[in-house]
Amino acid sequence: AQSVTQPDIHITVSEGASLELRCNYSYGATPYLFWYVQSPGQGLQLLLKYFSGDTLVQGIKGFEAEFKRSQSSFNLRKPSVHWSDAAEYFCAVGSPYSGAGSYQLTFGKGTKLSVIP
Amino acid sequence: EAGVAQSPRYKIIEKRQSVAFWCNPISGHATLYWYQQILGQGPKLLIQFQNNGVVDDSQLPKDRFSAERLKGVDSTLKIQPAKLEDSAVYLCASSLEAEYEQYFGPGTRLTVT
Repeated sequence: AQSVTQPDIHITVSEGASLELRCNYSYGATPYLFWYVQSPGQGLQLLLKYFSGDTLVQGIKGFEAEFKRSQSSFNLRKPSVHWSDAAEYFCAVGSPYSGAGSYQLTFGKGTKLSVIP
Repeated sequence: EAGVAQSPRYKIIEKRQSVAFWCNPISGHATLYWYQQILGQGPKLLIQFQNNGVVDDSQLPKDRFSAERLKGVDSTLKIQPAKLEDSAVYLCASSLEAEYEQYFGPGTRLTVT
């Protein structure tokens, strides 16, 4: 069964500083990997996804993530954090259902990001 | 394009009572998901529908939880009877058939006292 580990429960960064959120996954085949963001009282919004190809993936809001198969990692990065980035971030691995044209998402426990002005 | 709609947004009930949540997916989305998100955890899939058929309900506690998706559009999730440990946010998501991006609704926050 697949699993996702986000080692950092809470991270605090200063506005304008760089950010890296860690994600490690366990999955037997080639993984489909995702990063979602959840603001308080809101649903989850997809930041970016990796299915295949280029291991450096660009997403919305200036985020990027790099897939490293050798390390089973898919870390999320942003060069300069804005106060509006304060939220909770979830990494997820997707496993497709055979013949169903859809997939099951397994989420990590999330990393809460606080931004100091 | 309207997003995934859920109601109610908040619900407080006593243990052993019943409760129902409603979800209206994005128009044209064949696949619908219900997730449970306990405080401090990531969302956990409860059930997935493709049109009005169930694809996966392996993590649905069927002794107290039930879900249906009549006519392949709206869906309801019911808990009867509720337990304290059911306190969570219940998220609904939808996606196009054979597409991989899931669009999430704002969720229903359930508190069981």
